Amino acid sequence: DTAVSQTPKYLVTQMGNDKSIKCEQNLGHDTMYWYKQDSKKFLKIMFSYNNKELIINETVPNRFSPKSPDKAHLNLHINSLELGDSAVYFCASSPQPPYEQYFGPGTRLTVT
Amino acid sequence: QQQVKQSPQSLIVQKGGISIINCAYENTAFDYFPWYQQFPGKGPALLIAIRPDVSEKKEGRFTISFNKSAKQFSLHIMDSQPGDSATYFCAATSGPYNTDKLIFGTGTRLQVFP
Repeated sequence: DTAVSQTPKYLVTQMGNDKSIKCEQNLGHDTMYWYKQDSKKFLKIMFSYNNKELIINETVPNRFSPKSPDKAHLNLHINSLELGDSAVYFCASSPQPPYEQYFGPGTRLTVT
Repeated sequence: QQQVKQSPQSLIVQKGGISIINCAYENTAFDYFPWYQQFPGKGPALLIAIRPDVSEKKEGRFTISFNKSAKQFSLHIMDSQPGDSATYFCAATSGPYNTDKLIFGTGTRLQVFP
């Protein structure tokens, strides 16, 4: 009965590769987010989607492309991975944005 | 003006003591102030939140104190337990539009020793 789930939990890859992270929520929320948590644990929003429509697009390199096939799923595709992309990526959802955001367990991405 | 400043960066408390984490903001349009708790290897979990129309909110051992005039809010953990050892984040947002963002503080690592 996991509320917000992400796969994979860990992702280790080499520079230049392309990878995807998947997120699913079973809370019935219309809004989903991607956050990046850096090595100093700072949390910063990257994107948000409301009912499959892109709402927030922060200053993120266009190598990052979110996709929402339906309101319960939000995926993050990253092209040409760089060392600086190493971080923990969190998916979140909210019943009433921007309030009450519920986070997934995170995906630790390590680029070597 | 969109920043939320959090202190201290780390906090060591003995079991049974009171843990206090402080946050300050500039944007007077902020109308929702949550606290998140994050254990190592886990995602942040919503712990407690307050709106500016009240000065205090208590849930179990966790209390938010809110000072609107000073633009400050704090988390008090009473009778701190080793299981409370985690990183705590304050946050704020202006809402209610879905284009509004949750702005996080920089986090406080709390260690509670037996």
